Amino acid sequence: EAQVTQNPRYLITVTGKKLTVTCSQNMNHEYMSWYRQDPGLGLRQIYYSMNVEATDKGDVPEGYKVSRKEKRNFPLILESPSPNQTSLYFCASSLSFLAGGHQFFGPGTRLTVL
Amino acid sequence: TQLLEQSPQFLSIQEGENLTVYCNSSSVFSSLQWYRQEPGEGPVLLVTVVTGGEVKKLKRLTFQFGDARKDSSLHITAAQTGDTGLYLCAGDVGNQFYFGTGTSLTVIP
Repeated sequence: EAQVTQNPRYLITVTGKKLTVTCSQNMNHEYMSWYRQDPGLGLRQIYYSMNVEATDKGDVPEGYKVSRKEKRNFPLILESPSPNQTSLYFCASSLSFLAGGHQFFGPGTRLTVL
Repeated sequence: TQLLEQSPQFLSIQEGENLTVYCNSSSVFSSLQWYRQEPGEGPVLLVTVVTGGEVKKLKRLTFQFGDARKDSSLHITAAQTGDTGLYLCAGDVGNQFYFGTGTSLTVIP
């Protein structure tokens, strides 16, 4: 089944404790992206990747890191999480970034930073 | 700064009524997409419009892309309870996607 998977689905952590949210897609997609969703603000792009070893900042990259060493995986790293990073996070992938690229979203990771 | 503004933010209507959701911006987009999101799930693509003035129909849903490629609308005819959900528009500029704030639709039986 074609899908984007994220782990964990739920995470409660404390300020400053490094964490990684994994994202994997099995569709051989080139373009991958991370978003955060907050009430009243919609989805905001954190980082995106056009292909392996090619990552770029999105709208809200502060406090986050990503890597793209393999085509299928695009982990999101929070080196020192803070309470303002409490949010619902989504990973997405699409075949390419050509206009109209169909993004497939993962099920989301709900992160709480105390 | 919100690149895409959606209106209304919340909409509650009776089953069988028609409704329109708007997505507006001062920026020009290469394409504009509409997604629907259910609670606890990721957004799912409904349609992509690419050409200014383009109109696409998906059963009871009609999507329109503005002539200047800065705005879009989603019209639902004879809403059903299964249409309940969060509707999101998204436009691409450069290599990035920008999402609207969303319209939460509730269809009451």
